[in-house]
Amino acid sequence: AQSVAQPEDQVNVAEGNPLTVKCTYSVSGNPYLFWYVQYPNRGLQFLLKYITGDNLVKGSYGFEAEFNKSQTSFHLKKPSALVSDSALYFCAVRDRADTGRRALTFGSGTRLQVQP
Amino acid sequence: GAVVSQHPSRVICKSGTSVKIECRSLDFQATTMFWYRQFPKKSLMLMATSNEGSKATYEQGVEKDKFLINHASLTLSTLTVTSAHPEDSSFYICSALHPQGSIQYFGAGTRLSVL
Repeated sequence: AQSVAQPEDQVNVAEGNPLTVKCTYSVSGNPYLFWYVQYPNRGLQFLLKYITGDNLVKGSYGFEAEFNKSQTSFHLKKPSALVSDSALYFCAVRDRADTGRRALTFGSGTRLQVQP
Repeated sequence: GAVVSQHPSRVICKSGTSVKIECRSLDFQATTMFWYRQFPKKSLMLMATSNEGSKATYEQGVEKDKFLINHASLTLSTLTVTSAHPEDSSFYICSALHPQGSIQYFGAGTRLSVL
């Protein structure tokens, strides 16, 4: 079985400061990892993914995430937060070995609040 | 990024009626689409995997006769909530699996309110 943990319900950061949204995962094989962002009453927008290769992945809107296999983590980061980054962020995983199941397993979400 | 259109964005219906939600991939063909349900301040719960030309695969605890899924073409999947009841009120979101890159692209969601 695969699972994702986002330990923080909410992260508060001042505009211009760096931000980190934490994510850890559990899969039996190697993971595909994703970050999505959701604005109020909207669907999810794809931010970035890790499939293979370089552990540091760069995505949309200046976000990046680092895959750490030993810590089974995939934390989302941005060097300088914007007020417009305030939204709900979801980490998701798919077990690469489970070719029969292509659905994603999502974390519980972390609300990012960037204060002006 | 790729575009997935979901319609309607909001629907209000009376108890006992059926509601159909459409999910279209606008710029790619999707043999696989997914339907999720999201409760307030909660994560997405996978309801079913929609496979083009074959039966949908439902998650445990999801009533297939209540949530009918049809994936008749490579760009369209529909979810019909039959005989809706107030407890079916929720935010339903679809996604389409892009054939290249393993990325799911999501629709904007449908807010269903059953009176």
